[in-house]
Amino acid sequence: NAGVTQTPKFRVLKTGQSMTLLCAQDMNHEYMYWYRQDPGMGLRLIHYSVGEGTTAKGEVPDGYNVSRLKKQNFLLGLESAAPSQTSVYFCASNPKGLQVRETQYFGPGTRLLVL
Amino acid sequence: GNSVTQMEGPVTLSEEAFLTINCTYTATGYPSLFWYVQYPGEGLQLLLKATKADDKGSNKGFEATYRKETTSFHLEKGSVQVSDSAVYFCALKRGFFGNEKLTFGTGTRLTIIP
Repeated sequence: NAGVTQTPKFRVLKTGQSMTLLCAQDMNHEYMYWYRQDPGMGLRLIHYSVGEGTTAKGEVPDGYNVSRLKKQNFLLGLESAAPSQTSVYFCASNPKGLQVRETQYFGPGTRLLVL
Repeated sequence: GNSVTQMEGPVTLSEEAFLTINCTYTATGYPSLFWYVQYPGEGLQLLLKATKADDKGSNKGFEATYRKETTSFHLEKGSVQVSDSAVYFCALKRGFFGNEKLTFGTGTRLTIIP
């Protein structure tokens, strides 16, 4: 069981470039989330998904798009990167179920630097 | 809206010292409360949780009690170790089924020196 994995681990982009961050989980979880972590601000929710084919906006969705074509994958896209998107991005997942969904499982993070 | 306020860090303690990291929250109703820990270079891991008032969450020697009267969920450990060095996040979860979200505090960096 790999848990939640993220690709790539680190990336440098120039302003205006695009890229896709991949999150994969092998736990058959229904829910998946993308967060960004910035100094002094904790984690903020960008987008999330409650099932295959569904996505919803979180707290800070502007400048990002997501897709959940397969249950195990949740992609985060930056169409035109900006320096303000320099951050560490975390993916998380949790199962659907009254008790177990309390716990979110996090990936190791992707560090993105936009110049 | 929902919010979590955490003790600002960084916090540096000697091994075997007593640890308290304060956390207070603002939320309507009865949120679930969590402490997550992030070790260097890793993602967040759930440390402990409490889902109703007066519940005590505990794990790895850490404890936190859900105090509704003071809207607090302070993290404590009686004797810290070097391996406890990490960033600790307090969080709450609110929302109805299918729309629950976690709200995180800003994190507290803890360093334990031998």
